Amino acid sequence: EPEVTQTPSHQVTQMGQEVILRCVPISNHLYFYWYRQILGQKVEFLVSFYNNEISEKSEIFDDQFSVERPDGSNFTLKIRSTKLEDSAMYFCASNQRGDQPQHFGDGTRLSIL
Amino acid sequence: QKEVEQNSGPLSVPEGAIASLNCTYSDRGSQSFFWYRQYSGKSPELIMSIYSNGDKEDGRFTAQLNKASQYVSLLIRDSQPSDSATYLCAVKRLTGGGNKLTFGTGTQLKVEL
Repeated sequence: EPEVTQTPSHQVTQMGQEVILRCVPISNHLYFYWYRQILGQKVEFLVSFYNNEISEKSEIFDDQFSVERPDGSNFTLKIRSTKLEDSAMYFCASNQRGDQPQHFGDGTRLSIL
Repeated sequence: QKEVEQNSGPLSVPEGAIASLNCTYSDRGSQSFFWYRQYSGKSPELIMSIYSNGDKEDGRFTAQLNKASQYVSLLIRDSQPSDSATYLCAVKRLTGGGNKLTFGTGTQLKVEL
């Protein structure tokens, strides 16, 4: 069964550094998403992306964050000038149509020191 | 008022019993409803989706939706120890271009031998 793949599985970064989290959505999917989950808390929406544009973003997704689809397969989340509170699991998800269930990748655990 | 509410649990049921997980939501514009299972340290895994009032069955799982009461539930029949996980209720609005999912905090289910 096709899967959403995310790399790296674990990223450790010094505070203030930039990180790029990578995702390869399922190949025929057109809608892409990033969510995060701080340890012990609920899954929170960050941003949705369709047709090379951001469709919706949450209050969390401020100027520190950006997304990009640099080629036909990858979907990236960039966090500039990381803060301690950015430490979380970051999940990429995708679906073929917006009303269909979203399928999640295994996540990237981001640890900011 | 929280957008999506779930009892955090833990909900303990004996092996072979029926587990009943409940979720209420505040946004009457919600259109689509999903149950995800999340094992500790892992990503959300889709269990069921439901879009219209009534029951939807898939194997040992039954989702129930009552839009008038803003209530969605998940029944797990013949519960197995492998069902022990956190069950996340997620809701999507009818309108809005982003298709974002709003998650509850999850209910921890423990199936005891």
